[in-house]
Amino acid sequence: NAGVTQTPKFRILKIGQSMTLQCTQDMNHNYMYWYRQDPGMGLKLIYYSVGAGITDKGEVPNGYNVSRSTTEDFPLRLELAAPSQTSVYFCASSYEGGIFGKLFFGSGTQLSVL
Amino acid sequence: AQTVTQSQPEMSVQEAETVTLSCTYDTSENNYYLFWYKQPPSRQMILVIRQEAYKQQNATENRFSVNFQKAAKSFSLKISDSQLGDTAMYFCAFMKVSGYALNFGKGTSLLVTP
Repeated sequence: NAGVTQTPKFRILKIGQSMTLQCTQDMNHNYMYWYRQDPGMGLKLIYYSVGAGITDKGEVPNGYNVSRSTTEDFPLRLELAAPSQTSVYFCASSYEGGIFGKLFFGSGTQLSVL
Repeated sequence: AQTVTQSQPEMSVQEAETVTLSCTYDTSENNYYLFWYKQPPSRQMILVIRQEAYKQQNATENRFSVNFQKAAKSFSLKISDSQLGDTAMYFCAFMKVSGYALNFGKGTSLLVTP
């Protein structure tokens, strides 16, 4: 099993550019999440999904969009990138939300907006 | 909103020694889950240990154990017989029973020295 796969691992964007961070999981998990991790800070929730076709905002959703057309995929879209979006982005999934406590994380995407 | 506070940005411990990482949280919920996640330099997030608030018994996982004080809203992690591979960022996290995602603290950077 590959688990949670994120691409790309690194990316540099210019201000105003757009991009999509890809996330796919092969564990048939219903719950998927996008977090961002800023230096010296914990992870903050951007968006989450409890199943295909269902998404909801987290703590810091501004500047991002998501979609969940399949159970496996949960892409994160950045529109009009800004320097404040420089961060490490983590995608995660779990079988039943946090009930069983185990979130499976991808290896992260380091994004720099210059 | 739930907040998670880790008051120790950095700690160090010698190999084979014991170290305790602190975590406090603020919530009005009675039922919830608490977690410690480890993030080594590889950036991968790894679940270390999990505690259900309704359980009085402290969780243990091999060399890792917690001291859960519900009234004080405290959830510390004890690492016994520290190993070089324990060097990592450690994040405390909270989740409501009715919630979908984790709230993370800012993390404690632990360095294990020979």
